[in-house]
Amino acid sequence: GAGVSQSPSNKVTEKGKDVELRCDPISGHTALYWYRQSLGQGLEFLIYFQGNSAPDKSGLPSDRFSAERTGGSVSTLTIQRTQQEDSAVYLCASSLVMGSPEQFFGPGTRLTVL
Amino acid sequence: DQQVKQNSPSLSVQEGRISILNCDYTNSMFDYFLWYKKYPAEGPTFLISISSIKDKNEDGRFTVFLNKSAKHLSLHIVPSQPGDSAVYFCAASSSGAGSYQLTFGKGTKLSVIP
Repeated sequence: GAGVSQSPSNKVTEKGKDVELRCDPISGHTALYWYRQSLGQGLEFLIYFQGNSAPDKSGLPSDRFSAERTGGSVSTLTIQRTQQEDSAVYLCASSLVMGSPEQFFGPGTRLTVL
Repeated sequence: DQQVKQNSPSLSVQEGRISILNCDYTNSMFDYFLWYKKYPAEGPTFLISISSIKDKNEDGRFTVFLNKSAKHLSLHIVPSQPGDSAVYFCAASSSGAGSYQLTFGKGTKLSVIP
């Protein structure tokens, strides 16, 4: 597929459990972003990766959130000790190069914390 | 504090008429603006963008207007078609921010009535 893919599409978990969300960016895209959209809200920036540079983590809401990007391609967003307020759609986006404002989004992972 | 505001949560327009979606921003460092379209259960799709050095950008039925002095932009769709029914997000970025993270509004749900 040519687009950004994310897995799982839906995740239901119990409060206090850890979850991992995966993103496969478009091949060749060097920049990768994570956003989340809570109910009735716009998309909220979480973290940004560009090549081998240190990621911009300025949007992560707490230290329970972390992300890594292996080999400059696939990224995993991990949420530890999930809380109900973590329930949201988590969206991954990629862009061809830094300085290209157009970002291409995946379909998202809908996370529900019970 | 919301830096990008879409004050109309919804808009209904008759097929064939013009749809006008509005967006206001507060951060004067924003220099690139984008519109995304989102269908249910899908990620946002890039629609059209405009740099702050321009005041208008046109692509087929879609035109974006930027009024920097008023910190206001709008998306015009003409003629509107039923397939345009979706949630439209306004987004902004600052080249000075380094990461090109997008700041999104909360979205406007457009319904085009056949």
